[in-house]
Amino acid sequence: QKEVEQNSGPLSVPEGAIASLNCTYSDRGSQSFFWYRQYSGKSPELIMSIYSNGDKEDGRFTAQLNKASQYVSLLIRDSQPSDSATYLCAVNEIRYSTLTFGKGTMLLVSP
Amino acid sequence: GAVVSQHPSRVICKSGTSVKIECRSLDFQATTMFWYRQFPKKSLMLMATSNEGSKATYEQGVEKDKFLINHASLTLSTLTVTSAHPEDSSFYICSARAGYNEQFFGPGTRLTVL
Repeated sequence: QKEVEQNSGPLSVPEGAIASLNCTYSDRGSQSFFWYRQYSGKSPELIMSIYSNGDKEDGRFTAQLNKASQYVSLLIRDSQPSDSATYLCAVNEIRYSTLTFGKGTMLLVSP
Repeated sequence: GAVVSQHPSRVICKSGTSVKIECRSLDFQATTMFWYRQFPKKSLMLMATSNEGSKATYEQGVEKDKFLINHASLTLSTLTVTSAHPEDSSFYICSARAGYNEQFFGPGTRLTVL
């Protein structure tokens, strides 16, 4: 059974700091990795996708993938109170069309 | 990113009635759409996978006769909750797969059954 693990948090960081969110997955065949942000009462919003080992940067967000360690992370630089949300890690294999979601990590950025 | 809409955003109905929720991909064609349910402070739960022109694939424990899914075109999928009861009250969210593997979510429909 495919599993995606995340620390539920909350992860508390002060405004301006770097928030580091981590995710591990069990299926070595996983090929695609995604980070979603979900505000309370809202639906998930895709913020990053990563497919190969290494770092991928987009604005204040950096996704890091290490397939050997089965580990994917999301760094948020210069964290803002508006970044406070639950961050969902999602993984899937090429052969399957459904995403396996982690339970999410709640991030709280204090002013 | 790609845009997915849902309608209605909120619905309140009486127990025993049926409710239809529409999910549309606005700027891309989606061969596959997904329906999720989320209870307050709980994780997303995949209900079914819907492929255009074919029957939906339901997850274990999801009653296909209660949650009717139709995916008649590449831009529209509908979920009908039949004979809704208070325990069906939840946040229903669709998503559509674009291109290779990315999934984009609709804004969700909050269903309250009285």
